[in-house]
Amino acid sequence: GAVVSQHPSRVICKSGTSVKIECRSLDFQATTMFWYRQFPKKSLMLMATSNEGSKATYEQGVEKDKFLINHASLTLSTLTVTSAHPEDSSFYICSATRGGANGELFFGEGSRLTVL
Amino acid sequence: AQSVTQLDSHVSVSEGTPVLLRCNYSSSYSPSLFWYVQHPNKGLQLLLKYTSAATLVKGINGFEAEFKKSETSFHLTKPSAHMSDAAEYFCVVSENYQLIWGAGTKLIIKP
Repeated sequence: GAVVSQHPSRVICKSGTSVKIECRSLDFQATTMFWYRQFPKKSLMLMATSNEGSKATYEQGVEKDKFLINHASLTLSTLTVTSAHPEDSSFYICSATRGGANGELFFGEGSRLTVL
Repeated sequence: AQSVTQLDSHVSVSEGTPVLLRCNYSSSYSPSLFWYVQHPNKGLQLLLKYTSAATLVKGINGFEAEFKKSETSFHLTKPSAHMSDAAEYFCVVSENYQLIWGAGTKLIIKP
């Protein structure tokens, strides 16, 4: 199956700093990538949908100035958590699809962010 | 409006016994349905998917699910549980990039 790689898998940062998480599709071109946040004991929350070359579409309640998403190429999307605070500590997961309205999603391994 | 309901937040079975994880959905159109599994501290992995072909779908690791339109269900089953099946399982409905996730069911396997 297709491979999606996420980096870093774990990151610890100080409050007020910014952190960038990368999501790469290694063996296919991803027309669309999704970013999720997973809270403890809860399901995934879709944060935003990004299409290559256009602005990301954010879900209601997600601050686009805080969670900057860039999808500069068909194989790379980045999520930058700006001015991170302890409440931003979470497990962030990306997924990618090759296309099609109901295309299969391929998930990254996830990135655990801890803000001190 | 689309929705997904996983009827059990936790399911506990003994090793070697059958597994049933229940999922009901509501959808305006003909949806695609997926089951994903997430092992502790790991990413999500697709178990199986239904995309309007055969209603009984076979997935990896011996899991299968049956799409029942009349019951709007897509329950996940496995004849015999293994310790390595302990994980969280998510039922997902997909329509035109709208992904609706169930809350997840944690599967516990007793030795």
